[in-house]
Amino acid sequence: GAGVSQSPSNKVTEKGKDVELRCDPISGHTALYWYRQSLGQGLEFLIYFQGNSAPDKSGLPSDRFSAERTGGSVSTLTIQRTQQEDSAVYLCASSAFQDFPGLAGSSYNEQFFGPGTRLTVL
Amino acid sequence: RKEVEQDPGPFNVPEGATVAFNCTYSNSASQSFFWYRQDCRKEPKLLMSVYSSGNEDGRFTAQLNRASQYISLLIRDSKLSDSATYLCVVNNPGGSYIPTFGRGTSLIVHP
Repeated sequence: GAGVSQSPSNKVTEKGKDVELRCDPISGHTALYWYRQSLGQGLEFLIYFQGNSAPDKSGLPSDRFSAERTGGSVSTLTIQRTQQEDSAVYLCASSAFQDFPGLAGSSYNEQFFGPGTRLTVL
Repeated sequence: RKEVEQDPGPFNVPEGATVAFNCTYSNSASQSFFWYRQDCRKEPKLLMSVYSSGNEDGRFTAQLNRASQYISLLIRDSKLSDSATYLCVVNNPGGSYIPTFGRGTSLIVHP
């Protein structure tokens, strides 16, 4: 079946331009995450969507970053006035929300990642 | 102390060797633990979950030590194809469904 898809796969832009990155999660997955990964670094959490709840934006590094998720499916990450330090691979992941009864507050299911968008800001 | 810490490596081992990685976590109330694998310039993929009783999947064994707050991954009879970065993932309680990823441990298996 179809996995998580992201577009574009590569994006080269000039400093100061705005960019939009798209993520198509697996159908039926209610949870959607955005991360970014710089060369040789770990995953940096950006934003989390779960169903119709307000997104958790606690990882967004500045107000130049924003994200939407329309109709509980496709998500768009927008970076305004890009800077060179924004250069990274932006990864999207989706998962099926699942509660673990008896494990209070613990709810996690396997995250399926897209192939990422490699953003280069010149 | 970082929430999730891993030795970045690289661990450079010959084919057939046994290699083990540890990952420490700071939140003693952490509930769920996982190992993901990330190949070079690829996305992470789930390798295995880590259960309290430990679990084994072929050549791979994962263990959880709650007292010392670490999880481990043991790979036996290493293959060239095991070369990758192994990411430790910890999920914490308290309503947060955002897992914390370690920075990963790099494994290089050579002939």
